[in-house]
Amino acid sequence: AQKITQTQPGMFVQEKEAVTLDCTYDTSDPSYGLFWYKQPSSGEMIFLIYQGSYDQQNATEGRYSLNFQKARKSANLVISASQLGDSAMYFCAMRESSSGGSYIPTFGRGTSLIVHP
Amino acid sequence: DSGVTQTPKHLITATGQRVTLRCSPRSGDLSVYWYQQSLDQGLQFLIQYYNGEERAKGNILERFSAQQFPDLHSELNLSSLELGDSALYFCASTPSPLGSTDTQYFGPGTRLTVL
Repeated sequence: AQKITQTQPGMFVQEKEAVTLDCTYDTSDPSYGLFWYKQPSSGEMIFLIYQGSYDQQNATEGRYSLNFQKARKSANLVISASQLGDSAMYFCAMRESSSGGSYIPTFGRGTSLIVHP
Repeated sequence: DSGVTQTPKHLITATGQRVTLRCSPRSGDLSVYWYQQSLDQGLQFLIQYYNGEERAKGNILERFSAQQFPDLHSELNLSSLELGDSALYFCASTPSPLGSTDTQYFGPGTRLTVL
């Protein structure tokens, strides 16, 4: 079963508009971390935002915010005031503990975001 | 710039060959992770090292091996290469091996093409 599900293979947004990229996850571990990464066409993976399972408030980093709904097991990324440079693949990831005590990361398949001028 | 370096940037080789990918973690980071990104499999965790010791293993083939050296750089060795091994290989690092809160910083990747 998929641990991280990103249901939107592609999204389009107008420049300066806000966009929400969906991510749902599956875990029985009470302690886990959720991450979003951006991968532009150049290939590098850029860390955007982190949310811990015990965090009470939604994480925010500049124009990025994470809409964390623990009961629904969703961690959607909201990008406000989209810019042309936001066009990229976006990956949701989760880290949960393994039997060895180390946190094993799992990535979703990604969402391709295209920002139109 | 994440501070994680990977060499080479591109690698083209033939089936059956062996290659070594190199990664230097961010200054102060003790833990290194290797990932494989391919079109059909997405981003797959391969293996993690912490301070020279293997810490966690993911979907790593037996033909692949890795190690972390005393200076903390890591190498991923891929042998008996097949066409399906063509992918982007990433290295990431964190300060410590444990904890779900650690943010992984990724290197720029090595693009491997097997012909």
